[in-house]
Formats: sequence, C-alpha cells, structure tokens
Amino acid sequence: DTGVSQNPRHKITKRGQNVTFRCDPISEHNRLYWYRQTLGQGPEFLTYFQNEAQLEKSRLLSDRFSAERPKGSFSTLEIQRTEQGDSAMYLCASSLADPNQFFGPGTRLTVL
Amino acid sequence: AQRVTQPEKLLSVFKGAPVELKCNYSYSGSPELFWYVQYSRQRLQLLLRHISRESIKGFTADLNKGETSFHLKKPFAQEEDSAMYYCAPNTNAGKSTFGDGTTLTVKP
Repeated sequence: DTGVSQNPRHKITKRGQNVTFRCDPISEHNRLYWYRQTLGQGPEFLTYFQNEAQLEKSRLLSDRFSAERPKGSFSTLEIQRTEQGDSAMYLCASSLADPNQFFGPGTRLTVL
Repeated sequence: AQRVTQPEKLLSVFKGAPVELKCNYSYSGSPELFWYVQYSRQRLQLLLRHISRESIKGFTADLNKGETSFHLKKPFAQEEDSAMYYCAPNTNAGKSTFGDGTTLTVKP
C-alpha cells in the first residue's frame, strides 16, 4: 500500500462536459475526504465519508457535484456540465477515526 | 464562521535564522490544531499536531487559546525547510479548515 492514490492525475475537458475522478484511500481507513484547491488558496472542504455514508457536504458542492463511496473503499467525485470556474486541484484524503489525514497527489482539472 | 488566517503569504529567511509562521483561527468549540507541509512536487502531509506536543524536524507549535493562535516556530531554519505550510484546525468530525498557506523560502 503506497498511500492514497488518485486517478487521473490530470484532466482537460471542455466546458459542459462531465468528468469523474477516482480516489483509492489507504486500505484500512474508514474516513475519506474530498477537497478542492485553487491557486493561491488552501484546500477547501467539499465532502466527507465514513465508510459508505456521506456525512457532510459543503455548500460549495453544488448540485452539479456528486460523490459516492459505494462499498466503503474507493470513492468517485463527478462533476456534471463543467464550468471554467471548476478548474482546480481536487484532493482526496483518508484517515482512521482520527483527524490526521493522509492526502493523495490530487487530480488537476482544467476546463477550457 | 470558522476562519483560519495565515497573515504571511511569503516568508524568506537565511539559513540558521529563526523562523515563525503565524496562524490565527476563529473556530467554534475546541478544535484540534494541525500544521501540514507541502514540499516541492510532493503531496500535502502532516507536520505536527498540538496534542502530541512533539518537535518534528525541529519545529514546534504552541496553542494559545486566549489569542486563538497556533504559530509554528523553528530556532534555526534549514534549506530543506523551504516549502508551503498550512495551518488547519479540525473538528471532532474530522473536517479540516485550511488557511491559505505560507510559502517559506530558506536562503543559503
């Protein structure tokens, strides 16, 4: 287990297209988080899972965004009808029942 | 509203000089405080947390509840400390709120 992995690492898409990102957490971690980071800012919380249950969603997460963690292992984050303002780095993190979060390398999204 | 302020976007010091990265927070309840670091071309990783009261890579951070601050300090900066540093309070539920970060450059 080499830590949290995210795929793809980079995604370029045209405005209006749908995109899906995947996060594979550290295997024994039951908590999984998604963050978004834009240039010059720190990561912003998007949503959080404990096992397969989505426990909290930020109001930043519009109805175009949906996240799932169907079996309590990997998670997907989908953005529908992408907009240029969605361009950012999308970070995934996982943890045990402890606030110490282990981060993935991120997926950089560019919306043209 | 929960807020984290890191007042310095950029901080530059010479090797061997002391360094202090400031963090002030406004948070409901009693958050746990963390510092995360991101070295060039690496992922974000935990540097230290206030409950452990450890010194990691020579860095320490003191939680001042009265001033709601959690400044990161190192008495003698090294070139390998050059990185982006984020202060991040965390709720009991695990959600972290990150500051906008301070880029530390340690010059030879």
